[in-house]
Amino acid sequence: DAGVTQSPTHLIKTRGQQVTLRCSPKSGHDTVSWYQQALGQGPQFIFQYYEEEERQRGNFPDRFSGHQFPNYSSELNVNALLLGDSALYLCASSVRTSGRTDTQYFGPGTRLTVL
Amino acid sequence: GESVGLHLPTLSVQEGDNSIINCAYSNSASDYFIWYKQESGKGPQFIIDIRSNMDKRQGQRVTVLLNKTVKHLSLQIAATQPGDSAVYFCAEGGTGRRALTFGSGTRLQVQP
Repeated sequence: DAGVTQSPTHLIKTRGQQVTLRCSPKSGHDTVSWYQQALGQGPQFIFQYYEEEERQRGNFPDRFSGHQFPNYSSELNVNALLLGDSALYLCASSVRTSGRTDTQYFGPGTRLTVL
Repeated sequence: GESVGLHLPTLSVQEGDNSIINCAYSNSASDYFIWYKQESGKGPQFIIDIRSNMDKRQGQRVTVLLNKTVKHLSLQIAATQPGDSAVYFCAEGGTGRRALTFGSGTRLQVQP
């Protein structure tokens, strides 16, 4: 049984460009959350998708957007890249529970470098 | 692989000793807590979780203790092994929240 998978593993972009990162959740999971992890820090919540809708959002600008597909996979899009967007982007999947934080399982991440 | 946690607090232990990693949380409304292990170049790996109706939970070689009075969480690892070397994060969540809020992490170094 495959765990959470993410692609690509590494990505190099230049300032102003746009990027799309992809995530497939664990089998049986219906919810995908995205986190940004800067070097030396803990992950920071970007947003969560369930039933193809954004359900909660962290303190990130609207340059960060996402999508969830009917098969529960998800994409994270970042427009107008800044140097400060360089980070490890983590996808976490979970089974949606009512009204509380789900147990989230993380993928290996996509390392984005903005030059 | 990348280096996680360049300037984190570090706990150095001898192989075979027990390790205790501590975490203070700030949100008194948090009622769900998770410990993750992150090795260099990898995503966080789930270790153990606990809800606020419990004060202790045990897994394989790991124990999590929760003290809600002082908002403190600890992870105990028995008979620490070189493969336990990693950065450990505590994370908190709660009713009505979807996001996990992560602490700053502790690097565990196991000396052979």
